Amino acid sequence: NAGVMQNPRHLVRRRGQEARLRCSPMKGHSHVYWYRQLPEEGLKFMVYLQKENIIDESGMPKERFSAEFPKEGPSILRIQQVVRGDSAAYFCASSSGLAGGRNQETQYFGPGTRLLVL
Amino acid sequence: AQSVTQPDIHITVSEGASLELRCNYSYGATPYLFWYVQSPGQGLQLLLKYFSGDTLVQGIKGFEAEFKRSQSSFNLRKPSVHWSDAAEYFCAVGAKAAGNKLTFGGGTRVLVKP
Repeated sequence: NAGVMQNPRHLVRRRGQEARLRCSPMKGHSHVYWYRQLPEEGLKFMVYLQKENIIDESGMPKERFSAEFPKEGPSILRIQQVVRGDSAAYFCASSSGLAGGRNQETQYFGPGTRLLVL
Repeated sequence: AQSVTQPDIHITVSEGASLELRCNYSYGATPYLFWYVQSPGQGLQLLLKYFSGDTLVQGIKGFEAEFKRSQSSFNLRKPSVHWSDAAEYFCAVGAKAAGNKLTFGGGTRVLVKP
């Protein structure tokens, strides 16, 4: 059983470039979450998606950041015009969605993408 | 809004000694509680979770945690630490009303002395 897959594992960008981070959930999972971990800090929630729907984007910065989870393919977190402050580890988690929105889902995390902005 | 506090930023423990990591949460209703472990440069691995029922929860790698509603705590314990337990440990809280998103504590880094 493959776990949550993220790629690339490491990404280096210069200021002003775009960063695209990919996440493939565990087999059978239809819910995806993105979290950001700044150096020496805990993880902070960014966005929660189901297939073709953004459920909760309350943690996303208002500008430059976007996320999608298309019907086919991985979830993408996109950061436009990156700045040095975007340097962080970005983690994706997935859950089964079987709780049907009534109960807390257990989230399983990927290995993360470590973004460095020069 | 929910919040999680892990009061200890660093803990050093000798191999074979017991370990207890503290976690305090703030949330108005019954929370869902998790402990994750993160090795350097790696992702997060779920150690254990509490949703309801027995307040003493057993997890993987010999870890356990106890939910104490009166103290708003969910402390993680291990009776005898192995060198491979050196890592960072995160407590997290989720809530039905919060729509599944997890709120994490700042983490506790554990160093194991030989």
